[in-house]
Amino acid sequence: AQTVTQSQPEMSVQEAETVTLSCTYDTSESDYYLFWYKQPPSRQMILVIRQEAYKQQNATENRFSVNFQKAAKSFSLKISDSQLGDAAMYFCAYRSGPREDGGSNYKLTFGKGTLLTVNP
Amino acid sequence: NAGVTQTPKFRILKIGQSMTLQCTQDMNHNYMYWYRQDPGMGLKLIYYSVGAGITDKGEVPNGYNVSRSTTEDFPLRLELAAPSQTSVYFCASRDRVWETQYFGPGTRLLVL
Repeated sequence: AQTVTQSQPEMSVQEAETVTLSCTYDTSESDYYLFWYKQPPSRQMILVIRQEAYKQQNATENRFSVNFQKAAKSFSLKISDSQLGDAAMYFCAYRSGPREDGGSNYKLTFGKGTLLTVNP
Repeated sequence: NAGVTQTPKFRILKIGQSMTLQCTQDMNHNYMYWYRQDPGMGLKLIYYSVGAGITDKGEVPNGYNVSRSTTEDFPLRLELAAPSQTSVYFCASRDRVWETQYFGPGTRLLVL
């Protein structure tokens, strides 16, 4: 079974600075997806960024980027120019299975989360 | 765009009571999921469905039941509520094109 580990229960960053959240995972599969979700106090789960394991290029979405190290099974999230609205719980998630194999439920396995505080 | 909607937002149950958590999506997604989130933890899969009439268990199915009579709706039934079922419940549906799960706003359940 796959496991996802977020080793930083809490992190803090100054507004406009850069912060990196860590995530490692354990799997024997070669084809999978990785995600970062943001959960603000409203509890809504919001997709931040997605990475396909077969792509070597790191995904980016505006101020959010990842450092995907497949061999090391590491998937960190970098937030640049941090804003007060970035304060939230961040979850790393793993999705098993290739794009369409007909045999996977495509469920997400989540880490325990990292609580990010942004200081003005 | 409604996306994934869940009702109710919050509910208090007494031990032994039953209830149904409603989930509806308007994106015509075949795959739908129910997760629970306990304090300080990530989400864990309760049940999932790959289409109307097809459901299967996830990691933590005990004490729950589901049905999927339409593509849009995926209700979660709690029978004989227990304090261990106090949690926040999230419904999600999977977009095959973007390979992304979209989540509803969650239902907070307190069993006393």
